[in-house]
Formats: sequence, structure tokens, C-alpha cells
Amino acid sequence: GQQLNQSPQSMFIQEGEDVSMNCTSSSIFNTWLWYKQDPGEGPVLLIALYKAGELTSNGRLTAQFGITRKDSFLNISASIPSDVGIYFCAGQLGAAGNKLTFGGGTRVLVKP
Amino acid sequence: EAGVVQSPRYKIIEKKQPVAFWCNPISGHNTLYWYRQNLGQGPELLIRYENEEAVDDSQLPKDRFSAERLKGVDSTLKIQPAELGDSAVYLCASRGFWQGQGAQYFGPGTRLLVL
Repeated sequence: GQQLNQSPQSMFIQEGEDVSMNCTSSSIFNTWLWYKQDPGEGPVLLIALYKAGELTSNGRLTAQFGITRKDSFLNISASIPSDVGIYFCAGQLGAAGNKLTFGGGTRVLVKP
Repeated sequence: EAGVVQSPRYKIIEKKQPVAFWCNPISGHNTLYWYRQNLGQGPELLIRYENEEAVDDSQLPKDRFSAERLKGVDSTLKIQPAELGDSAVYLCASRGFWQGQGAQYFGPGTRLLVL
């Protein structure tokens, strides 16, 4: 079946740093989404991408839908402590409303 | 706008006991999803409803899991009997037909521990 690989699996950030993570798939998707999940909560939608090559920003977050439709990346600029959490990419294929296929997540932690 | 509501937030039961989870989607959202999230992994779909019809239940373990959405609004997911491997977070999500592809909104989840 479809699998999404996220990298890195975990990363440490220092306040003010820019961070980057990506997601690759063995097959194409029509839609890419990025979610953030805090401990004890459900995933919260950050950015949705609907066209290959699309670059979309949401505040300090920027995400791109890869040209091949098999990858996406998320950048966070000038990180702050509340950026800590787990970031999931998700892909969707076919009709609107179809299931999302999630990656394993990138855990963002604060440098000690 | 109120988000997706789920209850209970936490549940601890012994194996072989039944358990039920409840979800109230965002008002007006006709599509409702139940996902299961195992520890350290991303969510995986169990079942998807369009109004009151289950249109994708291929990943639902039907021997012990059941779900219903009788009036096309609230939904209940049941496990009977529960097994140790059912310990996970059960997430409900919803989507309105007018929204862009993929824009699914998640509730806080029910954290189930089976002892």
C-alpha cells in the first residue's frame, strides 16, 4: 500500500532557527497536507496544498507540493518554543473526501 | 465555530470488556471519519461516512469493531470485546462538502488503554 516517509524522524530546535522537514511517497497524491499534533490533542491542520509545484505560506510556515506529486516539504522560520510538537504530512488521492494517508511524523524538540 | 467533540477523552478497561466512543462533528459537516493512531505513528483510517452511509470501512476489523451514524450527525464507534492491541488513540475527523480536498478537521481523540 501507499507509504509516506517523513524525515527527519526527530529534530532539536533553538529559538530563532529555521527548520525544515520533508515527506516522500512511493506513489503520487492529488493533495498534500501538513498537520501539527501537541501532546494529548488531535492533529491540527497547518497547510493544505492542491497543485503540483504549489508553494503556500501560513505565517512562519511555508510548504510546497513537489512537482513529481510524490513529495512535499515544510519549513518553519524563526522557530519559537511553541513550535515543539509532532508534525505529520498526509497525502490524499482521488475524490475529495477520500481518506488521508499519514507519515510517521517528525518530532520537534527544544535543544537543552 | 465549535470544533469536533469527542468523549470520553480517556478510557481504561480490562481486555474482553466492551467500550464505546462518541463523536460530534463540526456543524454542517457531512463527511465523518474514524482514525486509529498507535503510539509513535500517524493516524490510519478505520471508517468513513458520507452522511449516514459508511462508504469506506475496508480497514475496520469487523469481527470486533462496529460504528454507526444514524442521523448523519453524531457517530459512535464500538469495540467488543477489546483486546490488548486495541490500546491506541481513536480520532474522529469531519469535513464539509464545500471545502477543498483533504481539509479534514480532527477532534482531540479518545485515549484507550486496555489492561
